[in-house]
Amino acid sequence: SQQGEEDPQALSIQEGENATMNCSYKTSINNLQWYRQNSGRGLVHLILIRSNEREKHSGRLRVTLDTSKKSSSLLITASRAADTASYFCATDHANFGNEKLTFGTGTRLTIIP
Amino acid sequence: DAGVTQSPTHLIKTRGQQVTLRCSPKSGHDTVSWYQQALGQGPQFIFQYYEEEERQRGNFPDRFSGHQFPNYSSELNVNALLLGDSALYLCASSLLRGSSQFFGPGTRLTVL
Repeated sequence: SQQGEEDPQALSIQEGENATMNCSYKTSINNLQWYRQNSGRGLVHLILIRSNEREKHSGRLRVTLDTSKKSSSLLITASRAADTASYFCATDHANFGNEKLTFGTGTRLTIIP
Repeated sequence: DAGVTQSPTHLIKTRGQQVTLRCSPKSGHDTVSWYQQALGQGPQFIFQYYEEEERQRGNFPDRFSGHQFPNYSSELNVNALLLGDSALYLCASSLLRGSSQFFGPGTRLTVL
């Protein structure tokens, strides 16, 4: 079963605009990660945020985590056509080592040139 | 440094057959996890291998089995294939004491 859900399911924006997608999850977590997937191919790791962190940046990406609301958001600034992809959040409960990731249902992002 | 590699890229089988998928982890990684991704869904965890032992298992039947070799590479075997087994199968490698999992390009399995 899926741990959480991404919102919206699909998003279309003009190139250059910012894209925000949200992820909600059900149980307490240790880490939350965001992945990108192009056209049903492999997943590319974007960013990891730990449960004791509230915000993290990586290039044009900004991730926030609110453990009280069991939610996270991914902001992509100044979007590019190459950002067109599906984006998934994944959570884990790892205490003693790398454990299984539980994925959400994904947001399909389309950047219109 | 090669990332995670998987073979084959695509595979077509018929119901009742058996299939073996292969994965080579990223150099230096000791843990391999397998995921199944149905069309339009997020990946679902099948199992994880470390030191040639199954360390964790998701909610998949015994038809799904695996193996990890001394060089850390791994195989996923599925017996008695069903139409519902059609999916993208993803392998991810990591360090057991690390935090991020790195995914391969996947194997697209079609069961007819």
